[in-house]
Amino acid sequence: DAGVIQSPRHEVTEMGQEVTLRCKPISGHNSLFWYRQTMMRGLELLIYFNNNVPIDDSGMPEDRFSAKMPNASFSTLKIQPSEPRDSAVYFCASSLALYAGTGRYYEQYFGPGTRLTVT
Amino acid sequence: GIQVEQSPPDLILQEGANSTLRCNFSDSVNNLQWFHQNPWGQLINLFYIPSGTKQNGRLSATTVATERYSLLYISSSQTTDSGVYFCAVELAGGTSYGKLTFGQGTILTVHP
Repeated sequence: DAGVIQSPRHEVTEMGQEVTLRCKPISGHNSLFWYRQTMMRGLELLIYFNNNVPIDDSGMPEDRFSAKMPNASFSTLKIQPSEPRDSAVYFCASSLALYAGTGRYYEQYFGPGTRLTVT
Repeated sequence: GIQVEQSPPDLILQEGANSTLRCNFSDSVNNLQWFHQNPWGQLINLFYIPSGTKQNGRLSATTVATERYSLLYISSSQTTDSGVYFCAVELAGGTSYGKLTFGQGTILTVHP
């Protein structure tokens, strides 16, 4: 079974350009998460969806960032306009939310990431 | 929000040595996962372990939820174990719905 798929794997763009990152979650998973990893801030959650609905976007740094999930098998993270400080690795993760025993069960699986460089 | 602290920040071992990595968290959790980020940047699931003990080959993990810590044991380390080990937790309660908060990681280097 394929894991989480992200594209592109590497993106180099100039300041001011629009950047779109793409993610295909694991088939059957109903939750999707976008993370950003930098040396200074580590791994931080940007936004996540459950059943294609955005649940919490409080981690999105500013209005230049937007995310969509038009269906269960596809999500995009868009930055417009991009700035050099957006340079980072962006990860997408997915999980299956279900109940096991007395609690929720969420094991997240990560994609390979997109390394974004904004010059 | 919940605080996640990992120790040690850095660890250097000779191949064959054993090690213990620790993760402390500040509140009750629904979910705790250990990940290994390899030198190519891939985040690999090691354990889903909100409580109890699990083993997978040379790796094992124990979470003592009541005392708010988890331990990752690596035995007979190999050079391929090098990378960064992350602990991530989901805060208990109805509002965290799958959201993971990551520690800063332990950088492990295993020399041949």
